[in-house]
Amino acid sequence: EVQLVESGGGLVKPGGSLRLSCAASGFTFSTYSMNWVRQAPGKGLEWVSSISSGSDYIYYADSVKGRFTISRDNAKNSLYLQMNSLRAEDTAVYYCARRTYGSSWLLDQWGQGTLVTVSS
Amino acid sequence: NFMVTQPHSVSESPGKTVTISCTRSSGSIASNYVQWYQQRPGSSPTAVIYEDNQRPSGVPDRFSGSIDSSSNSASLTISGLKTEDEADYYCQSYDSSNHVVFGGGTKLTVL
Repeated sequence: EVQLVESGGGLVKPGGSLRLSCAASGFTFSTYSMNWVRQAPGKGLEWVSSISSGSDYIYYADSVKGRFTISRDNAKNSLYLQMNSLRAEDTAVYYCARRTYGSSWLLDQWGQGTLVTVSS
Repeated sequence: NFMVTQPHSVSESPGKTVTISCTRSSGSIASNYVQWYQQRPGSSPTAVIYEDNQRPSGVPDRFSGSIDSSSNSASLTISGLKTEDEADYYCQSYDSSNHVVFGGGTKLTVL
């Protein structure tokens, strides 16, 4: 069974940092591109970042570029999101999501999410 | 870059058919595949349509997707509505910079 389990969320002050992790199991993690998607309270989905299977290709939403860093460790079946210079508007549930093979950009598996709250 | 726009909410009665639209702001809707996700309250999103009109395994055939070049939009149609279909629905595509683009979401009420 495919599982994606996020962790690392919590309360952080504006300007602070946080590192999210996503532990993957039940599939060959090293062959899939992975993504972070967030959802502010009561709001819609917002794509944050993606990373290719071998970390060759990395993309960020304009809203987080320069502040967030996506990375992965295929030996540990883990995806990460380092979040720096956090702002109140970064408050959201952060999901890791697997992109399926092919050209469609289908995110076919999602974790349960981890809540990040940025507040003084 | 482009945006995709969805109606904020739709409602329909059980057993009826509802269609949710997703309109692309620039560039052709046919240029990049469209996916649709269902998100029930308190749950993570799950895909109900991928590559414009394909259903993932386990999704009932009451769910169908299409694109219309004349209106530059994609549509998700749910027939034989059930109360369990009440959820938020999001369309998603991607741009030439490999950025994922989500619509703002549509709240479906089955009353």
